[in-house]
Amino acid sequence: DGGITQSPKYLFRKEGQNVTLSCEQNLNHDAMYWYRQDPGQGLRLIYYSQIVNDFQKGDIAEGYSVSREKKESFPLTVTSAQKNPTAFYLCASCGTGPQHFGDGTRLSIL
Amino acid sequence: AQSVTQPDIHITVSEGASLELRCNYSYGATPYLFWYVQSPGQGLQLLLKYFSGDTLVQGIKGFEAEFKRSQSSFNLRKPSVHWSDAAEYFCAVGDTGNQFYFGTGTSLTVIP
Repeated sequence: DGGITQSPKYLFRKEGQNVTLSCEQNLNHDAMYWYRQDPGQGLRLIYYSQIVNDFQKGDIAEGYSVSREKKESFPLTVTSAQKNPTAFYLCASCGTGPQHFGDGTRLSIL
Repeated sequence: AQSVTQPDIHITVSEGASLELRCNYSYGATPYLFWYVQSPGQGLQLLLKYFSGDTLVQGIKGFEAEFKRSQSSFNLRKPSVHWSDAAEYFCAVGDTGNQFYFGTGTSLTVIP
């Protein structure tokens, strides 16, 4: 079955540490997105990519970085510059229709 | 600028009762409209979508939504709610450039 796979499901970060969240899709979608979800705030866009080797900042890109070296993959790195990284992170992709979402990664601080 | 408003943060309904979740949007052209559902700790699942044509769209799990251009609304409805419908519901607008804008969500509680 086609879909989006996010890993790991749970992730813990130590102070000063960078961590990378994985997002892989086999839907042959060109566009991929990263969202951050906090209680009561809905989804906030971190980064998005419309095509391989190109990506744009979303509304809350500070403290995050991405790469898009392959169509199938769009990893998100939460850097030590992100002072409040505890949240639920969702990856999505789309072709010509609606977005499809992964099951999310919950990131917490140790 | 595009935006989506879900006026109700939280709604409680009795099992078997009807449900309507409100969604208003601001968008210059004809929007692409979506409703998603999210269970705790899960991703978002698409319930239904409107691109064009019939303004009453049917979705999965017995949900439907009606696009009303004059009111800039896309309200989600279900005639009889089941306990398993308890979840967070998100309305979203998409444009032709694959940009999407989400409301802040409505949390649904179903009481027996």
